[in-house]
Amino acid sequence: GAVVSQHPSRVICKSGTSVKIECRSLDFQATTMFWYRQFPKQSLMLMATSNEGSKATYEQGVEKDKFLINHASLTLSTLTVTSAHPEDSSFYICSASLSGYSYNEQFFGPGTRLTVL
Amino acid sequence: AQKVTQAQTEISVVEKEDVTLDCVYETRDTTYYLFWYKQPPSGELVFLIRRNSFDEQNEISGRYSWNFQKSTSSFNFTITASQVVDSAVYFCALSEAQSNTGKLIFGQGTTLQVKP
Repeated sequence: GAVVSQHPSRVICKSGTSVKIECRSLDFQATTMFWYRQFPKQSLMLMATSNEGSKATYEQGVEKDKFLINHASLTLSTLTVTSAHPEDSSFYICSASLSGYSYNEQFFGPGTRLTVL
Repeated sequence: AQKVTQAQTEISVVEKEDVTLDCVYETRDTTYYLFWYKQPPSGELVFLIRRNSFDEQNEISGRYSWNFQKSTSSFNFTITASQVVDSAVYFCALSEAQSNTGKLIFGQGTTLQVKP
């Protein structure tokens, strides 16, 4: 399967700072990337869908000004958690797909564990 | 509305036992895709299988098998002769073709613990 990387794998930051997480598709061009959040012992919750070159589509309840998503190229999407607070501590996972169509498989990154002190 | 239910929160078995993980889905779409993913303690999701709604054939891959029953909206996953390395959280997911967004709706996950 295709390879998706995330960086950093783990980050600890102070409350009020911003954190950027990168998601890269290493061996294919990803028209669509998805960002998920997973709290301990819970399922993955989709935060937003981003298509290269256009604004991300956020799920209901997700603050777009707090979770800034940029999909500037076909191989890179970034999620910036602005003014992070302890409640933002979570496991963030991205996935990449050749397109936004449902028949296309999503390839998942290894995840980024964010801890906000 | 679309929904995926994995009623079993945690399952514990002893090595070499067979175990079935249940998945029930809800959708109004006639074309959809079902997935199973494994999430080991490392956190990375591992793709196991994708099945489209028009293909009701059961599938076997080594010790893994899947039973897709449209009549009961179920897509169950069986591990035969379980091993300690099978210990993980398993997620069932649904993607609807009509939405054309590629969104995956995940079930709550089933934590499988295989004891030696």
